[in-house]
Amino acid sequence: GEDVEQSLFLSVREGDSSVINCTYTDSSSTYLYWYKQEPGAGLQLLTYIFSNMDMKQDQRLTVLLNKKDKHLSLRIADTQTGDSAIYFCAEIGNQGGKLIFGQGTELSVKP
Amino acid sequence: KAGVTQTPRYLIKTRGQQVTLSCSPISGHRSVSWYQQTPGQGLQFLFEYFSETQRNKGNFPGRFSGRQFSNSRSEMNVSTLELGDSALYLCASSAAGVHEQYFGPGTRLTVT
Repeated sequence: GEDVEQSLFLSVREGDSSVINCTYTDSSSTYLYWYKQEPGAGLQLLTYIFSNMDMKQDQRLTVLLNKKDKHLSLRIADTQTGDSAIYFCAEIGNQGGKLIFGQGTELSVKP
Repeated sequence: KAGVTQTPRYLIKTRGQQVTLSCSPISGHRSVSWYQQTPGQGLQFLFEYFSETQRNKGNFPGRFSGRQFSNSRSEMNVSTLELGDSALYLCASSAAGVHEQYFGPGTRLTVT
């Protein structure tokens, strides 16, 4: 079946890099996404990667995809206190518009 | 462009009542999806509408229903509310043929 797993917590120091990891099971995923959720807010689409790509860079964000191991990661360079939030990994399953989400990783950035 | 808007933002209802939530997609977007977010179950897909037709449905009981209007605005309805329906309900819109989904701020429903 479709399943997406993430670790629940990550704590880093301001200025360090953060790496958030995600594994998924659906080999037919076409796109994989990273969303950010701040307290009391909806989900903000940060970036996505097409399943035939290995890497995508977007300013401070780098997405790595290992399709063989079904492993996705999000690296945030020079992490700032404003990056503190919950980060969700998601995939488009084989049913079109249905996003399958991980449990979310709470990133805490300490000054 | 204005983002996805959801009304109301907060709602308190009593068990057994019914509720209707509204979602206005980004201008030009024709697909609207609904998700339920709870601390225990996380983010779960409810249903997706495109051009007034339900295109996908998640694994929720029939008490959860939705519809989409010709202007792409969507509503979801929950009848006979249960305590477990307390959640943040999020809607997302996307343009035809485009995979990215953009989310609204959500409606926080509390059932007492």
